[in-house]
Amino acid sequence: AAGVIQSPRHLIKEKRETATLKCYPIPRHDTVYWYQQGPGQDPQFLISFYEKMQSDKGSIPDRFSAQQFSDYHSELNMSSLELGDSALYFCASSLVLGHSYEAFFGQGTRLTVV
Amino acid sequence: KQEVTQIPAALSVPEGENLVLNCSFTDSAIYNLQWFRQDPGKGLTSLLLIQSSQREQTSGRLNASLDKSSGRSTLYIAASQPGDSATYLCAVRSGNTGKLIFGQGTTLQVKP
Repeated sequence: AAGVIQSPRHLIKEKRETATLKCYPIPRHDTVYWYQQGPGQDPQFLISFYEKMQSDKGSIPDRFSAQQFSDYHSELNMSSLELGDSALYFCASSLVLGHSYEAFFGQGTRLTVV
Repeated sequence: KQEVTQIPAALSVPEGENLVLNCSFTDSAIYNLQWFRQDPGKGLTSLLLIQSSQREQTSGRLNASLDKSSGRSTLYIAASQPGDSATYLCAVRSGNTGKLIFGQGTTLQVKP
């Protein structure tokens, strides 16, 4: 079965650079979520989209922005990168229809800021 | 504000033991609760999803229970195996946007 696809899997950037992370949800899933997991931490919710509209926002820095496109893939744009942005970034997708909301996660993008 | 706590933070058991992982949450008005497994540096694998109206869910050697009124869930692993070694995360979903609030996880080591 198709899973959530994230790219790239690994990314190394220098401070103050920009990074773009991509997420391809499971086909027919209507909701995409982004989470950040720092070293030794639990995943923290950043932002979500339902049917291409932002549906919820968590502790996402103003330097970060995200959007969901017409084909339902989503991108997380991170500018003016800081050392503290080094983390695993997960994308998850779910199907709201039927209110199951079971979330399926991608393998994550490991971002290292040097 | 919903807070999720998992106890213990780490657990080491010999192979074959049955074990229980605990998860508690402060706001009982949840939509559902999901248990995940995470191997080091890897993604999150969904193990079990319990809707707020359900009491338990089973998948193979795993059984998860939910007591919404007391704000607790347990994950029971029967006949543990070394391959079960991983971090187990509990996450609750409150509200209708679907975002998950995670606990800090329990890191399990099963020794051969």
